[in-house]
Amino acid sequence: DAGVIQSPRHEVTEMGQEVTLRCKPISGHNSLFWYRQTMMRGLELLIYFNNNVPIDDSGMPEDRFSAKMPNASFSTLKIQPSEPRDSAVYFCASSEPGSRANSPLHFGNGTRLTVT
Amino acid sequence: AQSVTQPDIHITVSEGASLELRCNYSYGATPYLFWYVQSPGQGLQLLLKYFSGDTLVQGIKGFEAEFKRSQSSFNLRKPSVHWSDAAEYFCAVGAFGNEKLTFGTGTRLTIIP
Repeated sequence: DAGVIQSPRHEVTEMGQEVTLRCKPISGHNSLFWYRQTMMRGLELLIYFNNNVPIDDSGMPEDRFSAKMPNASFSTLKIQPSEPRDSAVYFCASSEPGSRANSPLHFGNGTRLTVT
Repeated sequence: AQSVTQPDIHITVSEGASLELRCNYSYGATPYLFWYVQSPGQGLQLLLKYFSGDTLVQGIKGFEAEFKRSQSSFNLRKPSVHWSDAAEYFCAVGAFGNEKLTFGTGTRLTIIP
């Protein structure tokens, strides 16, 4: 089991550029979550998918943020255009099928995004 | 809405000493409670979870936590800490039928020799 795989590990970009973060969940997991971690706000849930369908995107901060899950093994989080305040560590997590909230989250190692 | 409070931002403990990290939650029904640990540069790893039944739950790495409904608490404990326990610890609350976990702000644990 390779775990949740995120890429890139680090991303440095200039304000206004498009940023795409990628996530491969654990095989067999049917729920996928995108979190953002900052010193000021801690861990925030941005969006989560169940069976590739977005269930709750109320945490997505602005229309500049979008997420897709075209299939069970891949998801992207896109920021366009990026701003310095988007600088954070972005985590992807997945969980296996089970009763809601009964399955623990498995986190990737995160993507550290720096927008200058 | 559910919420979690971790009142201690940073705790320093001597190696071999006991540890207790505090967590208080707010939720109208029976919560699902979790403790996660995050090492530097890593994602979060599940230490233990409580859904129902025995209020004292055992987790990995020698950690345990006790659910106290009357105090709305779910404190994490370890009898004797090791230098490798230095990390950030997060308490989280969820609920049946809701996959959204709400995380606390975390407690950073420093171990001194």
